Amino acid sequence: EIVMTQSPATLSVSPGERATLSCRASQSFSSNLAWHQQKPGQAPRLLIYGASTRATGIPARFSGSGSGTEFTLTISSLQSEDFAVYYCQQYNTWPYTFGQGTKLEI
Amino acid sequence: EVQLVESGGGLVQPGGSLRLSCAASGFTFSSYWMSWVRQAPGKGLEWVANIKQDGSEKYYVDSVKGRFTISRDNAKNSVYLQMNSLRVEDTAVYYCARDRTFASWGQGTLVTVSS
Repeated sequence: EIVMTQSPATLSVSPGERATLSCRASQSFSSNLAWHQQKPGQAPRLLIYGASTRATGIPARFSGSGSGTEFTLTISSLQSEDFAVYYCQQYNTWPYTFGQGTKLEI
Repeated sequence: EVQLVESGGGLVQPGGSLRLSCAASGFTFSSYWMSWVRQAPGKGLEWVANIKQDGSEKYYVDSVKGRFTISRDNAKNSVYLQMNSLRVEDTAVYYCARDRTFASWGQGTLVTVSS
């Protein structure tokens, strides 16, 4: 099983600032990595797939990068609606696994 | 617009069974893998199972193997999760999701396993 580890667990930032979220995999793989956003009481929403491709309708301030064991989600200029929990997820190998989440808070 | 609507959740005693359904619309259902993902109260996300377009391949997380069965009916644009021998630790919101990347999610259905 590929274990996904996200850091930090909580990230405190201000609107307008840049946020960088990290995700590390216990085994190397190419680009079968997705990022999901979840707001309280809501279902998750896909932001990024293929490590760097934005999903339909996702603003350009969200970007993903990385391969191998190190992946990053960057939000270039935080908006109020971006404060949420973010999960990375690998779909390279079964069982598919998620990181434990990074909570982005003000 | 892609829509996924789960149903079938509820309160069940340990050892009991439930069948979850997910009705899909807004896309060509038979062209996509479909998945179930769960989230225990206050916890993170856990992939549970997924099924290939024609149902010929199915995969499960170890903790549900032998107890849960995923299936689909492409004529009805629906995917199902039959859950048997339920345990307290299966308590969660269960989401159905489209594709291996979970490109679209339903709103979830709550399963509570308790005596």
